[in-house]
Amino acid sequence: GIQVEQSPPDLILQEGANSTLRCNFSDSVNNLQWFHQNPWGQLINLFYIPSGTKQNGRLSATTVATERYSLLYISSSQTTDSGVYFCAASGSARQLTFGSGTQLTVLP
Amino acid sequence: KAGVTQTPRYLIKTRGQQVTLSCSPISGHRSVSWYQQTPGQGLQFLFEYFSETQRNKGNFPGRFSGRQFSNSRSEMNVSTLELGDSALYLCASAIAGGGLAKNIQYFGAGTRLSVL
Repeated sequence: GIQVEQSPPDLILQEGANSTLRCNFSDSVNNLQWFHQNPWGQLINLFYIPSGTKQNGRLSATTVATERYSLLYISSSQTTDSGVYFCAASGSARQLTFGSGTQLTVLP
Repeated sequence: KAGVTQTPRYLIKTRGQQVTLSCSPISGHRSVSWYQQTPGQGLQFLFEYFSETQRNKGNFPGRFSGRQFSNSRSEMNVSTLELGDSALYLCASAIAGGGLAKNIQYFGAGTRLSVL
């Protein structure tokens, strides 16, 4: 099955800084999603992005399917951005394979 | 439109007992998937149901089972609980059917199970 790797595992920023999270995947994908896990455990959808570039406010994502990676950009970080960010991908089956996540801490 | 609803939110059980978790998908969604999250193993796929049929199954023992009803609501059952079953269990729903965007997964808030 698909393997998903995320980097870095931990990231500490000052409020206002920008950050880039990376997701590498081992095979072609039909689905690639980015999530933010809130402190209560719920996975909040950020992007559905099997290819191309999308933006939503201070967040944007780019997936280069031919090179098998995706990037999540967070600009002007806020303390409320803290938490774990997951990348998940699937191929022909609907089941998602998750990366191990990036723990983001934004300091005031 | 209401999101994915999981009940209960928290459960405490003892070893050897069994437990049933419930998931109500977003209205109109026909696919329900279950995932287990633990600190050691991360997020792992358990199984997926579509139109009351199990479509895919992850690498979990037979103690883990599930079903889906005609209204797309799903339950998962864990029998003979072990300490290692303590985890956050997440349910996701998708429209499914034709078109790749219909496979976007939307997650519920999860059920946190503690096995003592």
